[in-house]
Amino acid sequence: GQNIDQPTEMTATEGAIVQINCTYQTSGFNGLFWYQQHAGEAPTFLSYNVLDGLEEKGRFSSFLSRSKGYSYLLLKELQMKDSASYLCAFYNYGQNFVFGPGTRLSVLP
Amino acid sequence: DGGITQSPKYLFRKEGQNVTLSCEQNLNHDAMYWYRQDPGQGLRLIYYSQIVNDFQKGDIAEGYSVSREKKESFPLTVTSAQKNPTAFYLCASSSGQGIGNTEAFFGQGTRLTVV
Repeated sequence: GQNIDQPTEMTATEGAIVQINCTYQTSGFNGLFWYQQHAGEAPTFLSYNVLDGLEEKGRFSSFLSRSKGYSYLLLKELQMKDSASYLCAFYNYGQNFVFGPGTRLSVLP
Repeated sequence: DGGITQSPKYLFRKEGQNVTLSCEQNLNHDAMYWYRQDPGQGLRLIYYSQIVNDFQKGDIAEGYSVSREKKESFPLTVTSAQKNPTAFYLCASSSGQGIGNTEAFFGQGTRLTVV
């Protein structure tokens, strides 16, 4: 079967660094994606990993370990506008995107 | 600009009625998807299509129907058989076809409420 899991909620302070973890199980993996979703809005793409290692994009970085079925999203220099849900998803080869339940991040002043 | 457009943004339906949600993309993507999101929850797959005139059921297809007559369009019908249709519906597209697939691009969503 296939499964994807993330923590439900996290809280961090403005200016800090936060790491959001994601674990997954699937037999047809072809890429791990991270999305940001503000309340009432559509998800927007943040990052993509298909090979093991770290991908950096400004204040956001994402890491993947395919052998462990594990990824994390790292957000640096947190800002109030980063308060949102963060969705982890994998692409099932030739099929579709499977999304995790999302992690709701609250950034406090 | 290329993108994916859903309409309407808000939709109200009386119990027992069918309604159709529109989704159009001009990204030249082969694959299109419909997801449902309930408050505080993740995205659940309703239907997806990798090519024109072909589509597959997702995890929660009961009470929904789709068509894919054109590459650009993937409308979703919420039928009266769907017991609890009030939700946020998201349409997405991607280049599809496995390796080299792009990320999913999302429309703005349609919020459906049964009254």
